[in-house]
Amino acid sequence: DAGVTQSPTHLIKTRGQQVTLRCSPKSGHDTVSWYQQALGQGPQFIFQYYEEEERQRGNFPDRFSGHQFPNYSSELNVNALLLGDSALYLCASGPYGGGRYEQYFGPGTRLTVT
Amino acid sequence: QQQVKQSPQSLIVQKGGIPIINCAYENTAFDYFPWYQQFPGKGPALLIAIRPDVSEKKEGRFTISFNKSAKQFSLHIMDSQPGDSATYFCAASRQGSRDMRFGAGTRLTVKP
Repeated sequence: DAGVTQSPTHLIKTRGQQVTLRCSPKSGHDTVSWYQQALGQGPQFIFQYYEEEERQRGNFPDRFSGHQFPNYSSELNVNALLLGDSALYLCASGPYGGGRYEQYFGPGTRLTVT
Repeated sequence: QQQVKQSPQSLIVQKGGIPIINCAYENTAFDYFPWYQQFPGKGPALLIAIRPDVSEKKEGRFTISFNKSAKQFSLHIMDSQPGDSATYFCAASRQGSRDMRFGAGTRLTVKP
């Protein structure tokens, strides 16, 4: 049973460019959340997708957008990259409802903005 | 945005010792409290989680203690091993929300 997978592993972009990161959830999971983890800090919630809609959003500007596909996989898009967007971007998946709260993280995509 | 405070920032113990990591939260609406373990270059791995209706939960060598009145919870690692050396994060979320609030992390080193 494959866990959460993310691609690419590493990415280097220039300030002002746009980037797309991809995530496939763990089998049986239908919600996907994205987090940003700066070096030496805990992850911060960006947004969550369920049934192909954004359901919750953290304190991130609308340069950060996403999408969920019918097979539950998801993309995170970041426009007009800033140096401060350099971080590890984590995808987490989990089941929806049923009183189950657990979220499982992928290995992350390390984004470097130069 | 941080609503979960974690301490200590770093911790060094000898093999076989029992490191204890503490977290305190502010939002009384939180009702799910997981702990994650993260190795360098990897994503956080879910270790153990607790709901506020119990005061303690054990899974293998990992134990969560929960004090609802004090709004605090802690992770104990029994018989710690060098392979437990990692960064540990506590987190909290509320019912129906996928917005988990993480602590700043504790870097644990277990010396052989």
